[in-house]
Amino acid sequence: GQQLNQSPQSMFIQEGEDVSMNCTSSSIFNTWLWYKQDPGEGPVLLIALYKAGELTSNGRLTAQFGITRKDSFLNISASIPSDVGIYFCAVQSGSARQLTFGSGTQLTVLP
Amino acid sequence: EADIYQTPRYLVIGTGKKITLECSQTMGHDKMYWYQQDPGMELHLIHYSYGVNSTEKGDLSSESTVSRIRTEHFPLTLESARPSHTSQYLCASSAGYEKLFFGSGTQLSVL
Repeated sequence: GQQLNQSPQSMFIQEGEDVSMNCTSSSIFNTWLWYKQDPGEGPVLLIALYKAGELTSNGRLTAQFGITRKDSFLNISASIPSDVGIYFCAVQSGSARQLTFGSGTQLTVLP
Repeated sequence: EADIYQTPRYLVIGTGKKITLECSQTMGHDKMYWYQQDPGMELHLIHYSYGVNSTEKGDLSSESTVSRIRTEHFPLTLESARPSHTSQYLCASSAGYEKLFFGSGTQLSVL
């Protein structure tokens, strides 16, 4: 299947700092998604991107769909303790448009 | 606030046992999915269904089977559990293709 590479694999930041993570692929995709998984729960959709170059915000979160359609970036501003979790990028792939998830970025926010 | 439920939340069983993981949703979604996830790792699609009496295998080969007799119910069965089946199993449903609603998961441990 398609491979999505997320970096960094993990991050430790101080509360109040901004965070940036990215997701890259060797293939072109027309839809990029960002999900967050809280500890002990299933992932929840944060942002969906449908157009190359698109920049979309959801509160303190901002995501961008790369112009090459092979990457996407997620930024979190002024981090707070509840931002802790694993952030996954995802793309639609296959004839059935099922989602393929990246390897995740584990975020830890220190007080 | 998604109305999708998985039971049991945790399951510890011996090798060779038959098990069924339950998943139900009350949102009337046509599409349902089973993902397998090792701790802190990416999600792998093992089964999906886009409607009643329709099931497909996902990208990750799995010895489990699924059924979709009713819209709201999508159980996963392992006929003979083995230690290699130890993992977290996440069920999800959706109306479209991007926004999946996940359950809290079943953590399966096979001894």
